[in-house]
This record gives sequence, structure tokens and C-alpha cells, in this order.
Amino acid sequence: DAGITQSPRYKITETGRQVTLMCHQTWSHSYMFWYRQDLGHGLRLIYYSAAADITDKGEVPDGYVVSRSKTENFPLTLESATRSQTSVYFCARSGGGGRKQYFGPGTRLTVT
Amino acid sequence: DQQVKQNSPSLSVQEGRISILNCDYTNSMFDYFLWYKKYPAEGPTFLISISSIKDKNEDGRFTVFLNKSAKHLSLHIVPSQPGDSAVYFCAASDASGAGSYQLTFGKGTKLSVIP
Repeated sequence: DAGITQSPRYKITETGRQVTLMCHQTWSHSYMFWYRQDLGHGLRLIYYSAAADITDKGEVPDGYVVSRSKTENFPLTLESATRSQTSVYFCARSGGGGRKQYFGPGTRLTVT
Repeated sequence: DQQVKQNSPSLSVQEGRISILNCDYTNSMFDYFLWYKKYPAEGPTFLISISSIKDKNEDGRFTVFLNKSAKHLSLHIVPSQPGDSAVYFCAASDASGAGSYQLTFGKGTKLSVIP
């Protein structure tokens, strides 16, 4: 059990709408991450957070906003969704020694 | 610029034989490498890792080999089983700077083990 939950698991939204993907860890590990997985691109880092109130950009941050007011929650917001943001989104946490990351089950987002 | 490359999008292997998945990297600052396994509709799960101070790490049927001079690592699965059919991602980490917990992933290799 990775101790990471994501909601919703599936979401369909329209272009221009704001949508928030939720991520919750049952532990209190410091680092949390958001990735997107697209065919032909593997997993790409969107944002990460080293601790509550500390966030930083990853490889593909444009169009996304994150916050981390509590250690266990790390929501990802698409402020104005675009079709190019149709993807599968994974949240992950650090922990377990070394630099391993543990992933949630993912949210499949479709922007129409 | 892709820093972690998995040049084989797919691989098919007969059950019981060895599966060899390859990964190349370009960033000489990477010092920790991981393999993840991903089934459809699930999140990636950690499989095995290796530090740059080692050249081999073994865990049951899974062995990872690291060749630092060639900037190459490989994952060996022996013997391969149908349940090993999944997408395998290679990932690398650089201990320097603020991003020491960041992982850079390859695009993945889809392994199919044929019964």
C-alpha cells in the first residue's frame, strides 16, 4: 500500500473550466509530486513540494497551480483546462528510504 | 533533451526465458537509478534500485546492472512470467541541489511475456 489516494479517478471537463485533482497521503512524508503520463512521453514532473507551503516547478508546469497548506494534501488545479491537458495524472510521495517514490492510482482527465 | 532514454518501446519474451530491458542516460550527475513497473489503470510501483557506487543489485528474479562509463543500465528478469507483462519505466535521480528527490523518467518499455 503506497498510502496515496487520488480523487476523482476519472474526470471529464470542458475547455476553459477550472478543475482540481486531489491527492492525499496517509503518512506525513515531506516530498510530494505531481506527474502526467502521456503516450510517447512517459512520466513528466509537473510540480513538487518539499514540505507544507514549499512548492516548486517541474518540467511541465504551465497551466497548472499547486498548493500545500497541510503536509498530507497536495491538490493540483488546472485554472483553465485545455485539450492538451488531457492526460493521466499521478501523485506521488517520498519515503521508505533512499529516493524511492510511491505513486497513487492516478486520475484520468479528459478535456473536451 | 531527453536525459533518460528507453529506446525499445516494446519487448516480447517467451515465458521462462530472460527479459532484458535497457536504459541509457546522459546526465553524469545522476547517482541513483530506479525501475518501476506499471500495470494498466494503476500507478507505477517501485521494483528495484541501484546506487552509482554499485554495479549490480539483485532482488529475487530481478537484477539491475549499472555501467557508469557507458551511462547504461539494464533490468534482467529471470525467469520471465506472464504476470511480468507491464510497462517498465527507468528513472534517475541527481543528489545535487534542491531537486535531490526528483526523478527523471524514461518513456517506458512495454514487456509482453508470452505463455
